Order: sequence, then C-alpha cells, then structure tokens
Amino acid sequence: EDKVVQSPLSLVVHEGDTVTLNCSYEVTNFRSLLWYKQEKKAPTFLFMLTSSGIEKKSGRLSSILDKKELFSILNITATQTGDSAIYLCAVEAVGGNEKLTFGTGTRLTIIP
Amino acid sequence: DTGVSQNPRHKITKRGQNVTFRCDPISEHNRLYWYRQTLGQGPEFLTYFQNEAQLEKSRLLSDRFSAERPKGSFSTLEIQRTEQGDSAMYLCASSFDRGRLSNEQFFGPGTRLTVL
Repeated sequence: EDKVVQSPLSLVVHEGDTVTLNCSYEVTNFRSLLWYKQEKKAPTFLFMLTSSGIEKKSGRLSSILDKKELFSILNITATQTGDSAIYLCAVEAVGGNEKLTFGTGTRLTIIP
Repeated sequence: DTGVSQNPRHKITKRGQNVTFRCDPISEHNRLYWYRQTLGQGPEFLTYFQNEAQLEKSRLLSDRFSAERPKGSFSTLEIQRTEQGDSAMYLCASSFDRGRLSNEQFFGPGTRLTVL
C-alpha cells in the first residue's frame, strides 16, 4: 500500500523566517509527487514533481524531489502570515488511475 | 467561475438519514475524483470516474456509499443510513486526461457533513 509521511506535523515560526517541509514516500511504480496548500477550504495546487534534482520555483516557494532517497522538500523563504496553512504532500502511481495518496500534512503557523 | 464547485457546502443530518452531494468539475476535465478528509488527516481517496465510467472504488467506500456521474459531467455522492463516523469533509477533484503524462487535480471547496 502506498504511504506518504510528512514532517514536522506542526511548525511555528516568525514572519521572515525560512522553513523546510519534508515528505517521504513509499509507492509502487511512482509517477509524480504533488504539493498542495490547504487553508480553510480545498487544497490548492502548488507543484508537481516527476524528475529527481530539478527544482521547481514559484515566488518564495520552491520544491525538489529525490527519487533515489524517496523524499521531497518544500521550501518557503521570507515567510509571511499568509503562508499559514496546512501543506499536503501526495503521490501518484502509474496504473493507479491517478488517484492521490496524501500525507497527513504539516500545519505551518507564521507569527507576525 | 471555471473552478470545481460542490453543493451543498455544509450539511447537518441526523443519524440514519440519507444525504446526497453534488460536484461540478471543470468543464473540459474528463476525470473526477471523490476524497474524504477528517480532522488532522490528509484527504483519502474514495472513488474515481473517467467520463461516466466509475473505474475504481476504495475499500473505504462501504455499501452505504454510491456515486454516479451520468453523461460524464457532474457527479453525485450519496450516503445512505448515515452514521456519526461519516462526519467529514467530502472533497471532489477533477483533472484532464493527458495520457501517460501526470496531470494535477483541482479540488472543489468541499462539502462538510456533520452527522448528529
């Protein structure tokens, strides 16, 4: 059974700090890893990673995948209060009808 | 608005009642997914449609749950004889089939079900 483990479960930092969120996975026939941000409503898509070592960036957020060690990290630099949310990591398997297996998420709180 | 929409947004029901939720995917998306999310957990896969065909159902989906997607457009998820353990956020997502390429799923706002 596919498995995704995120750490830490919760993180509290001050505005302006840089944070690194971790995601490790076990999946048969890996296809992709996705990061989502969830505030009070639905998860919103951040990144999709399919290849090792290629960093994806969007503003202050960036993410990279290591398919050999089976993990990904999500970095947020110069954090702002609007970054407070739950960050979800999910994996997709080949032949799995593209259903996503999610981790429990990391709850990030930014203190002004 | 061209995003995924779900109705109702909130539903409170008594144990034993039936409830039905609706999801309208992004119009050109042929794949539709239902997930369930409980407090402190990530979403868990329930079922998946490609066009009107239901191709996979999770073990989580007991006989009291049924989902349909007539004509490959909107989808409904019905829960019969609700139990308190059914209380959760029910999320719908859609994506566009690009063959062997991965494609991101876009989520709706969810329906929060509370069973008293």
